Amino acid sequence: GDSVTQMEGPVTLSEEAFLTINCTYTATGYPSLFWYVQYPGEGLQLLLKATKADDKGSNKGFEATYRKETTSFHLEKGSVQVSDSAVYFCALSDPNSGGSNYKLTFGKGTLLTVNP
Amino acid sequence: ETGVTQTPRHLVMGMTNKKSLKCEQHLGHNAMYWYKQSAKKPLELMFVYSLEERVENNSVPSRFSPECPNSSHLFLHLHTLQPEDSALYLCASSQEQRLGPLHFGNGTRLTVT
Repeated sequence: GDSVTQMEGPVTLSEEAFLTINCTYTATGYPSLFWYVQYPGEGLQLLLKATKADDKGSNKGFEATYRKETTSFHLEKGSVQVSDSAVYFCALSDPNSGGSNYKLTFGKGTLLTVNP
Repeated sequence: ETGVTQTPRHLVMGMTNKKSLKCEQHLGHNAMYWYKQSAKKPLELMFVYSLEERVENNSVPSRFSPECPNSSHLFLHLHTLQPEDSALYLCASSQEQRLGPLHFGNGTRLTVT
């Protein structure tokens, strides 16, 4: 079945440091890939997405590139801020699983803490 | 109001109690979801409703009973829960036909004593 593997957290960085959170996936088809973010006390919200190979999703200074050859979708940001402290979830939607949002498969999440 | 609203935010219940979680969305979406979020585990999809009909039930124990009376409201009825059911329960909605993103509520933190 489909699966998503994220790097284990927690990740602790100083403000303005470079961030990478690794995400790899297994899927039977050609999935769409997503990063969701969960700020303290809140639900998840979509951060960015990519729907086909070599697409780059970007939002709020975060980027992730859909790499089919390495089945990866790593999240990066050049300079993190304290306000980026949150839990980040990688997810995929596999059309071979029937498509649609309710087939989203999530990773376990990576807690990021940014210190001033 | 906008977005997805869940009530209550926190709930403590005994194993013999019956309670309900409520979710309301004001986004005009036609699909709604219940997820369970436990520490150090991936999000677990519990139930999906599309156009008010249940389309997915991921082998959830019968002590959890969903209800979707219309496209804007979703309930999760709880009875005779176990301590391991303590978790954050998240409601989400989406516009299914457009494969739009999931919009989540802030969740209900459930503690079963």
